[in-house]
Amino acid sequence: EDKVVQSPLSLVVHEGDTVTLNCSYEVTNFRSLLWYKQEKKAPTFLFMLTSSGIEKKSGRLSSILDKKELFSILNITATQTGDSAIYLCAVEGAGKSTFGDGTTLTVKP
Amino acid sequence: SQTIHQWPATLVQPVGSPLSLECTVEGTSNPNLYWYRQAAGRGLQLLFYSVGIGQISSEVPQNLSASRPQDRQFILSSKKLLLSDSGFYLCAWSVSGGGYEQYFGPGTRLTVT
Repeated sequence: EDKVVQSPLSLVVHEGDTVTLNCSYEVTNFRSLLWYKQEKKAPTFLFMLTSSGIEKKSGRLSSILDKKELFSILNITATQTGDSAIYLCAVEGAGKSTFGDGTTLTVKP
Repeated sequence: SQTIHQWPATLVQPVGSPLSLECTVEGTSNPNLYWYRQAAGRGLQLLFYSVGIGQISSEVPQNLSASRPQDRQFILSSKKLLLSDSGFYLCAWSVSGGGYEQYFGPGTRLTVT
């Protein structure tokens, strides 16, 4: 059975801190790993990673995939209160997605 | 551009009543379509996915069913709701072929009383 585990489950930091969110997986026929941000309702897409060791970057957010060790990290530098959200990791394999339980990030002013 | 619609936004239904949630996608053809349920504080549980009209794969045995009567329409149904069916239901689409990001609708908050 496909499995995605995220850690930590929740995290409270202050503005300006840097955070690292973790995602490990066991998936049959891996195709891609995706990160989403969920604020109020619908998750929104952040990154898709398919190749090991290549960093994807968007502003203060970056992510990298290690296909040998079966994990990914999402880094957020200089956090802002607007970064407060649930961050979801999902892995695509064998035609379907498996989501982790998410990391709830709270950024305090 | 592509748009995904999902309704209703909230729903309160008594135990034993039927359910019908609808999702439609605009601006794309032959999308993969998905239904997820999210319990409080948890990730997304895949319920059903579809790669084409009339093609439905079920991931979790339950009293829910899904149908895809048209290319860009996906319906989640139940004949008799259970208390455990309460949750946040999300519809999503992706480009066909697999391995691509998914785009989510606004969700339906279902409370079964």
